[in-house]
Amino acid sequence: NAGVMQNPRHLVRRRGQEARLRCSPMKGHSHVYWYRQLPEEGLKFMVYLQKENIIDESGMPKERFSAEFPKEGPSILRIQQVVRGDSAAYFCASSQDRVYEQYFGPGTRLTVT
Amino acid sequence: AQSVTQLGSHVSVSEGALVLLRCNYSSSVPPYLFWYVQYPNQGLQLLLKYTSAATLVKGINGFEAEFKKSETSFHLTKPSAHMSDAAEYFCAVKRTGANSKLTFGKGITLSVRP
Repeated sequence: NAGVMQNPRHLVRRRGQEARLRCSPMKGHSHVYWYRQLPEEGLKFMVYLQKENIIDESGMPKERFSAEFPKEGPSILRIQQVVRGDSAAYFCASSQDRVYEQYFGPGTRLTVT
Repeated sequence: AQSVTQLGSHVSVSEGALVLLRCNYSSSVPPYLFWYVQYPNQGLQLLLKYTSAATLVKGINGFEAEFKKSETSFHLTKPSAHMSDAAEYFCAVKRTGANSKLTFGKGITLSVRP
């Protein structure tokens, strides 16, 4: 059973460009979570999604950030008009049900130049 | 609201020595508690979890943690450190209700000296 897959592993964008981060949950998992890890800090929750629904987006910045988890295909975290402060590691996690533990992907390290 | 406090950012022990990584939590409802380990440039791996069953929880790689409600603590221990234990360790809390997000501490970097 493959683990949580994230791609790309590393992403470089210039200021003002768009970044798209993809996450494929573990087989059989229908809950996806996105977290951001800034240097020297722990992980901060961004958004929790189920298929075609956003359940909790209380950690998402109000502008430029959006997330989706379509019926088919991976979950996408989209950052428009990136700024240097968006440089971070973005982790996706999935779970079988909301009460079960979350399994993390290897992360996408975004660098904004 | 929930929060996790991991005092100190770095712990250094000798190989074979006891590992003790501290975690205190704040939660208005009974929590689930987790310890994760992160190796450089990798994702997080679950070490162990407390989900209101036994208060002493055993995890992978010889780690264990004890849930102490009176102290609001969930400290991680290992009797004898190995060089391979060098990594960053995160404590996390989650509500048992509808809100499913994990709230993490800032993490502790464990170094193991030969």
